[in-house]
Amino acid sequence: GAVVSQHPSWVICKSGTSVKIECRSLDFQATTMFWYRQFPKQSLMLMATSNEGSKATYEQGVEKDKFLINHASLTLSTLTVTSAHPEDSSFYICSAREGGQSNQPQHFGDGTRLSIL
Amino acid sequence: AQSVTQLGSHVSVSEGALVLLRCNYSSSVPPYLFWYVQYPNQGLQLLLKYTSAATLVKGINGFEAEFKKSETSFHLTKPSAHMSDAAEYFCAVSALIYNQGGKLIFGQGTELSVKP
Repeated sequence: GAVVSQHPSWVICKSGTSVKIECRSLDFQATTMFWYRQFPKQSLMLMATSNEGSKATYEQGVEKDKFLINHASLTLSTLTVTSAHPEDSSFYICSAREGGQSNQPQHFGDGTRLSIL
Repeated sequence: AQSVTQLGSHVSVSEGALVLLRCNYSSSVPPYLFWYVQYPNQGLQLLLKYTSAATLVKGINGFEAEFKKSETSFHLTKPSAHMSDAAEYFCAVSALIYNQGGKLIFGQGTELSVKP
């Protein structure tokens, strides 16, 4: 149980284009979803927290207009990297939590490797 | 504020040897603690969690961790390492600050290598 699917797993695109990444909870309803960015050999950096039906809460230093997050249903959240540039190249990982309690674990997708040429 | 420190960015053991990955936390309230494992180019997989029940927590793949409040530690152990255990391990504490959404605060990670 508690499976999170992230798509696509790898994307290469030209500078200036927008890229959408999907995160789906397959066998549970995700009240809260999280988006992370991970640089090579480093830990995860939280970008934003999204609750179904409300605006995402972004971490300090993360550009809201650059990284658009939508959490329209209890099983789907999307991250859109707008006007992507080479510096946006990274490994993006989503996670989902079934309830609103802090003692419930987050379940992670397999990540999306984004390469901007 | 809560924080997590993982001692040792890289640990190397021989196959069959004891695995010990260290994690210390800082929290002004009873914490919720988690260990995750990450294989190359993949997301994180939950190994085990401590949520104020039994202090010795058993997880998947033969791993376990013991919550020690007096030492503010939550070290991960496995009696006998297997080659397939080679991966990156992250310790995390769940933020209990009001309006923080229970976000996870991760340690810097420990890369485990297993020698044949």
